[in-house]
Amino acid sequence: GAVVSQHPSWVICKSGTSVKIECRSLDFQATTMFWYRQFPKQSLMLMATSNEGSKATYEQGVEKDKFLINHASLTLSTLTVTSAHPEDSSFYICSARAFGMATEAFFGQGTRLTVV
Amino acid sequence: AQSVTQPDIHITVSEGASLELRCNYSYGATPYLFWYVQSPGQGLQLLLKYFSGDTLVQGIKGFEAEFKRSQSSFNLRKPSVHWSDAAEYFCAVESNFGNEKLTFGTGTRLTIIP
Repeated sequence: GAVVSQHPSWVICKSGTSVKIECRSLDFQATTMFWYRQFPKQSLMLMATSNEGSKATYEQGVEKDKFLINHASLTLSTLTVTSAHPEDSSFYICSARAFGMATEAFFGQGTRLTVV
Repeated sequence: AQSVTQPDIHITVSEGASLELRCNYSYGATPYLFWYVQSPGQGLQLLLKYFSGDTLVQGIKGFEAEFKRSQSSFNLRKPSVHWSDAAEYFCAVESNFGNEKLTFGTGTRLTIIP
């Protein structure tokens, strides 16, 4: 199957700083990328959907100024957690899909963010 | 809005025993249905998917799932589990008009005992 690479796998940052997470589709063009947040022992919560070249669509309750999403190319989307606080600590997962219906989403390996 | 219910939070089975993980969905029509597996600290791997056609679908690692429209269910089965199957399993649905959003169930944690 197709490969989605997420980087970094884990990151520790100080409260108040920003951290960027990258999501790359390595062998296909991802017209749509999704960002999820997963709390310990819970399901995945969709944060936002991004389409290449346009603004991301955020789910209700997700602060778009705090979680900046950029999808500047067909193979790269980034999530920047701005002014991070300890409550932002979580596991963040991206997924990517190629154009067309009935195609599966491929997931990155996730990023464990710890804000201290 | 679509929703997914996985009634079993945690299941423990003996190695070599059969397995069934339950998944029920709520949606106005027949959605696209998926089962994913997640190992600790990892992303998700697709086990199998149902879009249309034969209601019994085969997946990787010896898993299969059966779509039952009358019960709005898509239960995952494996005839004989291996210790390496211990993981978190998520059922997911997507609307069949292609909005591409996946809605996940709360997951079922599978523990395998020797």
